[in-house]
Amino acid sequence: GQQVQQSPASLVLQEGENAELQCNFSTSLNSMQWFYQRPGGSLVSLFYNPSGTKHSGRLTSTTVIKERRSSLHISSSQTTDSGTYLCAVSSGSWQLIFGSGTQLTVMP
Amino acid sequence: DAGVTQTPRHEVAEKGQTIILKCEPVSGHNDLFWYRQTKIQGLELLSYFRSKSLMEDGGAFKDRFKAEMLNSSFSTLKIQPTEPKDSAVYLCASSLGRGDTEVFFGKGTRLTVV
Repeated sequence: GQQVQQSPASLVLQEGENAELQCNFSTSLNSMQWFYQRPGGSLVSLFYNPSGTKHSGRLTSTTVIKERRSSLHISSSQTTDSGTYLCAVSSGSWQLIFGSGTQLTVMP
Repeated sequence: DAGVTQTPRHEVAEKGQTIILKCEPVSGHNDLFWYRQTKIQGLELLSYFRSKSLMEDGGAFKDRFKAEMLNSSFSTLKIQPTEPKDSAVYLCASSLGRGDTEVFFGKGTRLTVV
């Protein structure tokens, strides 16, 4: 079945630095989604991006299907970007398979 | 447009009680999911509905957990009887359907069982 691996598990940045988060999946996919979660908060959808590149403000998501990977780039990080970033994939069925997340801490 | 609405936001129950969590999906969405999230286990699927039909009942959660969808705009998750290990955040999510569309989550219900 589908397996989803995220890296790094945790990341600490100084405010203003860029971040690159990776999500690797084991089989072909129908959908790929990136979520953001604050401690104690819900999952906020950042990108629905099964292929190609999408931009939203300081965030960029790139999914390369043949390489079975997706990345989330955060430019000029801010302390408010701190939290957990989760990727989720579905392939051939309805079920979303989640990665274990990247915990990002941005220091002032 | 309203997103996924969950009530209550917080619930405290005594061991052995019955609790009912509620969810209203995004209007027009056909798929509805219930998840449980803990720090140790992460996100666990409890149930999945497609067009009000139960497609997945979460296997290990069948015993004391029952999700229902009485109409296309309302779902409940009943836990009976509650146990302290049920303390977690319960998340409801919905999507248009077919497994290849964007999923939207509600703000969750934080359940504490004492």
